Amino acid sequence: DGGITQSPKYLFRKEGQNVTLSCEQNLNHDAMYWYRQDPGQGLRLIYYSQIVNDFQKGDIAEGYSVSREKKESFPLTVTSAQKNPTAFYLCASSTDGPALNMNQPQHFGDGTRLSIL
Amino acid sequence: KNEVEQSPQNLTAQEGEFITINCSYSVGISALHWLQQHPGGGIVSLFMLSSGKKKHGRLIATINIQEKHSSLHITASHPRDSAVYICAVRSGGGADGLTFGKGTHLIIQP
Repeated sequence: DGGITQSPKYLFRKEGQNVTLSCEQNLNHDAMYWYRQDPGQGLRLIYYSQIVNDFQKGDIAEGYSVSREKKESFPLTVTSAQKNPTAFYLCASSTDGPALNMNQPQHFGDGTRLSIL
Repeated sequence: KNEVEQSPQNLTAQEGEFITINCSYSVGISALHWLQQHPGGGIVSLFMLSSGKKKHGRLIATINIQEKHSSLHITASHPRDSAVYICAVRSGGGADGLTFGKGTHLIIQP
């Protein structure tokens, strides 16, 4: 079945370490997104990518980095510069792309819960 | 930047009741999404609408563009409807991300 796979489901990081969260989709979607969710808060956009080899900063990009070398993959690295990385991270994708000026539903993964040891 | 407000924050109801969740936003939008988040954290897209009304099974979503307001209704509610319901908006076209409300935590008691 087509969908979005995030791994791992739970991730623990020591202070000062970088960690990478995986997001893979087999929906043939052009656009991919990373969101962060904190307790009692709405999801916030970290980074998004409309097409391979291109990505844009969202509202809270500081301390994070991404790459989009393949259409199906959009990994997120939480760097040691991110001062408060403990959160729930959600990846999403849609058929939106730079050539489209339309709105398409976003499909979400099951999320990765990151905690600091 | 768009501000998205949802009400109520928490709602507990009995099985069979008619449920309404409200969403208001501050700036004109190109589309509004209703999402459902289950206890494990996964999110499912329920509706995307830019005008009028959509219906899927027992779920109905409406939007009033002039009033910058949307409602999600659940008819004949069931315990399996218990989840967090999230409203999200996109202000323009293209593939930029959504702005989310904080969610409404719904519990349906048998």
